[in-house]
Formats: sequence, structure tokens, C-alpha cells
Amino acid sequence: QVQLQESGPGLVKPSETLSLTCSVSGGSVSSGSYHWSWIRQPPGKGLEWIGYIYNSATTNYNPSLKSRVTISVDTSKNQLSLKMMSVIAADTAVYYCARDRGGWTRDSYYHYMDVWGKGTTVTVSS
Amino acid sequence: QSVLTQPPSVSAAPGQKVTISCSGSSSNIGKNHVSWYRQFPGTAPKLLIYEDNKRPSGIPDRFSGSRSGTSATLGITGLQTGDEADYYCGAWHSSLTAGGRYVFGTGTKVTVL
Repeated sequence: QVQLQESGPGLVKPSETLSLTCSVSGGSVSSGSYHWSWIRQPPGKGLEWIGYIYNSATTNYNPSLKSRVTISVDTSKNQLSLKMMSVIAADTAVYYCARDRGGWTRDSYYHYMDVWGKGTTVTVSS
Repeated sequence: QSVLTQPPSVSAAPGQKVTISCSGSSSNIGKNHVSWYRQFPGTAPKLLIYEDNKRPSGIPDRFSGSRSGTSATLGITGLQTGDEADYYCGAWHSSLTAGGRYVFGTGTKVTVL
């Protein structure tokens, strides 16, 4: 079955760029059947969707983060990546990658995350 | 700031039933399917319900979901101590001016008394 594993530096300085990688095993990030998302969760708070990529190139971002975020895939390594510029303390969170399913049933759109990585903690601090 | 509102907490005795509401709008729950996730402390969320009322393989039928109008509900029957966790609803929030976005509920902590 598909497994996802996030990795990256646990500590990032304010104003710098956060870079995370999600390694995918048991499936392909280039599969057109799925979207691949990043989600984060600040300490003690709820979940926030950051954005997704599908078909290796089409992206959609949370408007609140769109100006600072880039999601891409490296098909040769079967990896998903997240870059977030100009980080601040409020970007401190556990970051998850996930596999999404999205589509239509009659006139309603469905979208959900059916496989999640274990998450990686990122702290923004000098 | 989440656009899907859940009660902060619900509780019941073992064996009883709890329901968790998820209130949205015509841009999300009112037109798109709802999913539910369970999260134990220190672990990643796990999909419980998708497309309003479908259960992934391995999720017992004690868990059920429904959607009506701009609200959705998760039900847990035969409550067990192992059900203590945080529960989140989620749905696509459609937008006429942008590509839309996925939104999560505010989260509900289930406590077994």
C-alpha cells in the first residue's frame, strides 16, 4: 500500500525558506488518479490545507498562503516537495503530506485525503 | 480561520452514542461532499468517512456520516475508550473567483466518561 514520509529541517530561521520533501512508496506521484497535498497543524490547533499538485504540474493553493508557497514533484525520485518563503513564527507547525482523491458524483464534488504521512515538525525561530 | 464549525467537545459514557456536527455554507457543505478524520494525540489524521457516508476499508460500522443542507454529522455508536480523539470534518470550498480550496472543521474532542 502507499506510504508517505515527510522530511526536512526541524528548525528554520524567520524570513528564510522552509523546504520539505515527501517520499512516496507503493505508488507514483505522477499518477493522474490522485492529487497530492500538504497540510499543516500548529501546536495545539487545527488542520490547515496548504495546497495540492496533480498531474505533476497543476497546482492549487490556499489563498492565505499562495504568495509564499510552491508545491512541486520530482518524478525521478517519486517525491513531493513544499517550499514556503519568508517564514514567520506562526508557520511553526507539524507538516503533513497526503494523497488526495477528488472527483464528481452527479452534481457534488468530493475531495478527501485517504493516505497521510506521519508528519514532520517545523519550528521557526532564530 | 476555519469556515467549518464544530463543537469543541462532546462526551458520553462507554457504549453510548455521540454525534458531532459540522456547520458550513452553500459554498462548501451545501454543494460538496464531506469527509471526516480522526486524530489521536501525536499522530497523523486518519480518514474515517468520505463522500458524506462511506467508510474506508477497516473502519467499523459504528461510525456513520450524513449531510443535509449546509451541515454534516458524524455519529459514533457503541462508544469505546479507544474512540477518545480529535475529529475533524473537511470539504471542498468552491469559489467563483479562485480555484477553490479544501477546508477543515475546527475540530471536536471526544471524551469517553
